Amino acid sequence: GENVEQHPSTLSVQEGDSAVIKCTYSDSASNYFPWYKQELGKRPQLIIDIRSNVGEKKDQRIAVTLNKTAKHFSLHITETQPEDSAVYFCAARGAGSYQLTFGKGTKLSVIP
Amino acid sequence: DADVTQTPRNRITKTGKRIMLECSQTKGHDRMYWYRQDPGLGLRLIYYSFDVKDINKGEISDGYSVSRQAQAKFSLSLESAIPNQTALYFCATGSTDTQYFGPGTRLTVL
Repeated sequence: GENVEQHPSTLSVQEGDSAVIKCTYSDSASNYFPWYKQELGKRPQLIIDIRSNVGEKKDQRIAVTLNKTAKHFSLHITETQPEDSAVYFCAARGAGSYQLTFGKGTKLSVIP
Repeated sequence: DADVTQTPRNRITKTGKRIMLECSQTKGHDRMYWYRQDPGLGLRLIYYSFDVKDINKGEISDGYSVSRQAQAKFSLSLESAIPNQTALYFCATGSTDTQYFGPGTRLTVL
């Protein structure tokens, strides 16, 4: 089955700096890659996603890049703000499947 | 996100007890999922269902069972709870790619 590795497990940045979280996946047939944000005590919520036919997608301060050859994808947050502090999860879905395999999460702390 | 609800939100039980966690959704989605979240381990899939007659095991189904009573309802049961089932449990629903999570149930097994 699919295996998703996520790094780093914790990340601290100064407010206004950029943050990058990286994930690798094992199944070359995987075709959908969402990112979820989970604030303390809350449910995971989708913040951005990308499909295998696209190399990059942006939404305001958030972007995701996908390298299918290397089987890795990354979340980029620019101009970080304290409200960006949360745990971020990447996930991958195999072709023909509706199951998501999640990474173990990255705890992002934005220091004011 | 009141479209996906879970009951109870918190539960403390004892080893050996049977417990049921319930999930309801008003999104009209066919697909429903149960996940378990443990610190440092991310979200792991327990069971999933694509319709009332379709139930599938996930990555960590041992010790759990599910029931899809209707399109909108999906229940998770622990037949005989054990302490290592202490975790945060999330229900999720989806129609195509995106999955929407419920608020979670924090379960403690003493």
